[in-house]
Amino acid sequence: QVQLQESGPGLVKPSQTLSLTCTVSGGSISSGGYYWSWIRQHPGKGLEWIGYIYYSGSTYYNPSLKSRVTISVDTSKNQFSLKLSSVTAADTAVYYCARERFNWGQGTLVTVSS
Amino acid sequence: QPVLTQPPSASASLGASVTLTCTLSSGYSNYKVDWYQQRPGKGPRFVMRVGTGGIVGSKGDGIPDRFSVLGSGLNRYLTIKNIQEEDESDYHCGADHGSGSNFVWVFGGGTKLTVL
Repeated sequence: QVQLQESGPGLVKPSQTLSLTCTVSGGSISSGGYYWSWIRQHPGKGLEWIGYIYYSGSTYYNPSLKSRVTISVDTSKNQFSLKLSSVTAADTAVYYCARERFNWGQGTLVTVSS
Repeated sequence: QPVLTQPPSASASLGASVTLTCTLSSGYSNYKVDWYQQRPGKGPRFVMRVGTGGIVGSKGDGIPDRFSVLGSGLNRYLTIKNIQEEDESDYHCGADHGSGSNFVWVFGGGTKLTVL
């Protein structure tokens, strides 16, 4: 069964870049046919899609975040990553990675604070 | 793009049944919706996809037969029968819209289910 695990700093300073990595096990990102997403959840709120990367490397982002988001993939490590630039306190959230709708990581809390 | 609306809370007694509702905005009555279960402190877990004809595809891994779905008009329903303590969770609905550079994945606000 495919499993996903998010990793990265839990604390980021305002104006800096948030960087997270999702490590996939039990399946290969490069095997094709799936898109790999980042989603976040503000404290006590609903889910917000950030963007996804297709196995071919094509990326698609939420228009509301597009100017600050970069998603990349490293198939040799079976990982994909998220970078969110110029963060503010409004970016404090639990960040999840997912394989389409089927498999989700457990999430990682990122707090933006000086 | 569609907007998904969910009531913020629901409750049901142990062993009873409950139906959760996700309502699509006007004009999106043909859209499929995905249901997710999120237990406290955990990531969302895919339950199943629903369209106007009912379930689309297969249930998520380990989802018991007590869970079922229906779709009618703008509403997509998740019914849980014989509710167990382990069913106490937040339930989210989601839908994808468009393709390529026009793709968006939207979610409702979630319903917190309390088992009494």
